[in-house]
Amino acid sequence: QSALTQPPSASGSPGQSVTISCTGTSSDVGGYNYVSWYQQYPGKAPKLMIYEVSKRPSGVPDRFSGSKSGNTASLTVSGLQAEDEADYYCCSYAGTTRVFGGGTKLTVL
Amino acid sequence: EVQLVESGGGLVQPGGSLRLSCAASGFTFSSYWMTWVRQAPGKGLEWVASIKEDGNEKYYVDSMKGRFTISRDNAKNSLYLQMNSLRVEDTAVYYCAGGGTRFTPWGQGTLVIVST
Repeated sequence: QSALTQPPSASGSPGQSVTISCTGTSSDVGGYNYVSWYQQYPGKAPKLMIYEVSKRPSGVPDRFSGSKSGNTASLTVSGLQAEDEADYYCCSYAGTTRVFGGGTKLTVL
Repeated sequence: EVQLVESGGGLVQPGGSLRLSCAASGFTFSSYWMTWVRQAPGKGLEWVASIKEDGNEKYYVDSMKGRFTISRDNAKNSLYLQMNSLRVEDTAVYYCAGGGTRFTPWGQGTLVIVST
């Protein structure tokens, strides 16, 4: 049950696009289409942004998109806005368990 | 309004026990898997356990198997986490969340501090 691998940090200027990767194994990310992404502001509870690899819950801007290739999932934030500065976590179903990534701090320059 | 409210956190000595509760409202609690997730101070999210709608399936992270027990009372719209043999490294904010493969909504979290 090792954590999924995410880059510790990512950054971009307003209006740019940023992609955050999430690498696992064939036992989690690569084996199921149950990857989700969460946004968390300091001191706040996480918020679901993407589920089942690429689906967006109601209310999440379409600037947020998800994809997967092999054992790596990705979250892309297009048209970066100041309010997107937060921590982002991926999570994958892994049979009888679930596993989170270590988190990525997104900075809007 | 869909809402989850955790309670039961606090300061406990190593080796002690604590029972966390999560009260659900605004949605059909009995139709959803439920999950506990924790976050140590300054660290990332860690999945703890999930329980099926009827309570008949429960899954745990290996490091907590045998020490933590997840349960639910659908008549009371409540989720629980019984934590025994607590260790210093169990210090964290514990969140309850709806769902088993995607987690929403989330509660505000309850802080558990394990210390002498």
